[in-house]
Amino acid sequence: RKEVEQDPGPFNVPEGATVAFNCTYSNSASQSFFWYRQDCRKEPKLLMSVYSSGNEDGRFTAQLNRASQYISLLIRDSKLSDSATYLCVVNIVGSARQLTFGSGTQLTVLP
Amino acid sequence: DTGVSQNPRHKITKRGQNVTFRCDPISEHNRLYWYRQTLGQGPEFLTYFQNEAQLEKSRLLSDRFSAERPKGSFSTLEIQRTEQGDSAMYLCASSFDREANQPQHFGDGTRLSIL
Repeated sequence: RKEVEQDPGPFNVPEGATVAFNCTYSNSASQSFFWYRQDCRKEPKLLMSVYSSGNEDGRFTAQLNRASQYISLLIRDSKLSDSATYLCVVNIVGSARQLTFGSGTQLTVLP
Repeated sequence: DTGVSQNPRHKITKRGQNVTFRCDPISEHNRLYWYRQTLGQGPEFLTYFQNEAQLEKSRLLSDRFSAERPKGSFSTLEIQRTEQGDSAMYLCASSFDREANQPQHFGDGTRLSIL
C-alpha cells in the first residue's frame, strides 16, 4: 500500500464548476500536510498547507481529518488556469522531514 | 530571482557516463532536499541536508549516487555509470526550519535522459 494515495483522475470539469480531491495517508504519525500543484513538465509549487481546523485560501479549501487519515481539497468556481496535477503531500515524522507525495490527481478545466 | 535554481535544465547522455547536477537553494534556507520524479508519479525523496551535513538518504540512493553540500549553500548530485532507469526529473527543494510548517520550495528540476 502506498503511504499517500490519491485518485489519479483525470477530472474533466467545466469552467465554474466545483471539484473536490481526496487523499488518504497511512502513517498516523504524520505531522504536516500540504497540497502542491504541478503543471506539465514543471516543478511542484506549494498551493497551501493543510491545518487541523481546515483552512481556506480564496477559491481553495483544504480539510484534514486526522482520525480517518484523510485530506481533501475543494476548488470552487474553477478557472481554466486551475488545470494541473494536484499533489497531496505529507511530512512523515522522522529526522529527515522529507515530504512523501501522492501520485497526483490530474484536473482539466474545460471552457 | 530568489527561488531555487537548478542546472542544467536538461541533460542527455549515454549509458555508463557520469553526470552532475547543481542546486542553488533560496539563500536563507538551511535545509536542502533532492527528489526524483518519473512520469505519472509524485516526487520521491532521495536525500536531505541540514546545512552542510547529509542527514538522511533514501534506499533509492544507490552507491552510484552521491550528493554534497560542501559549504552549506549549493549542492551537487552526481550519478556515476548511469543506467537507463536513471532517466527522470531530478528536483531540488529547500526550506527554512524556522518557517511555520516548513514548506519546501522546489527548483524547476533537471531532466535526465539516458540513451
